[in-house]
Amino acid sequence: DIQMTQSPSSLSASVGDRVTITCRASQGIGTYLVWFQQKPGKAPKSLIYAASTLQSGVPSRFSGSGSGTDFSLTISSLQPEDFASYYCQHYKNYPLTFGGGTKVEIK
Amino acid sequence: EVQLVESGGGLVQPGGSLRLSCAASGFTFSDHYMDWVRQAPGKGLEWVARIRKKVNGYSTEYAASVKGRFTISRDDSKNSLYLQMNTLETEDTAVYYCARGVCSGDSCYVGSHWGQGTLVTVSS
Repeated sequence: DIQMTQSPSSLSASVGDRVTITCRASQGIGTYLVWFQQKPGKAPKSLIYAASTLQSGVPSRFSGSGSGTDFSLTISSLQPEDFASYYCQHYKNYPLTFGGGTKVEIK
Repeated sequence: EVQLVESGGGLVQPGGSLRLSCAASGFTFSDHYMDWVRQAPGKGLEWVARIRKKVNGYSTEYAASVKGRFTISRDDSKNSLYLQMNTLETEDTAVYYCARGVCSGDSCYVGSHWGQGTLVTVSS
């Protein structure tokens, strides 16, 4: 199985900060990676698929990059509504696996 | 508007069974792979199972943690997805979400349309 490792597990940041979350796959997955945002008590929302393609309706301050084993999600200027948990997930093969998550908190 | 509504969660004893349902509307259900994803209280997300379309023989995939105990199925005539859960363990306690798959070329990912989730609690 492919293991997905996210870092950091949590971070504190201020509105306006640039934030980067990383995700590492235990083996190469090409660009078969999605990023999700989840707010407390809500279902996850897909932000990015194919490692770098923004889902329709997602603000352009979100961006994704990477291929192979190393990926990142960047929020260029953190907004109040961005405080949430973020998860990566690969879809290279089965089982699909998620990273452990990154909680972005208000500093 | 795409809607996915789960039902069937509740309290069940270890070793028991439960069947979850997911009612879909607002899209052509039969055209999409469908997934179940779960989240234990205070924990991260775990993909559980996937079912493909009729043209793919309704073939299925499972996480190792549920293989042999859970069965995913669908009824395209009813726009419904199911998860039959047998031999439940306390570790299966979680909110269970159904989600619509999105396919691009030969790859399919869990997309942006999820239900609100249904809570399954396995406890004596």
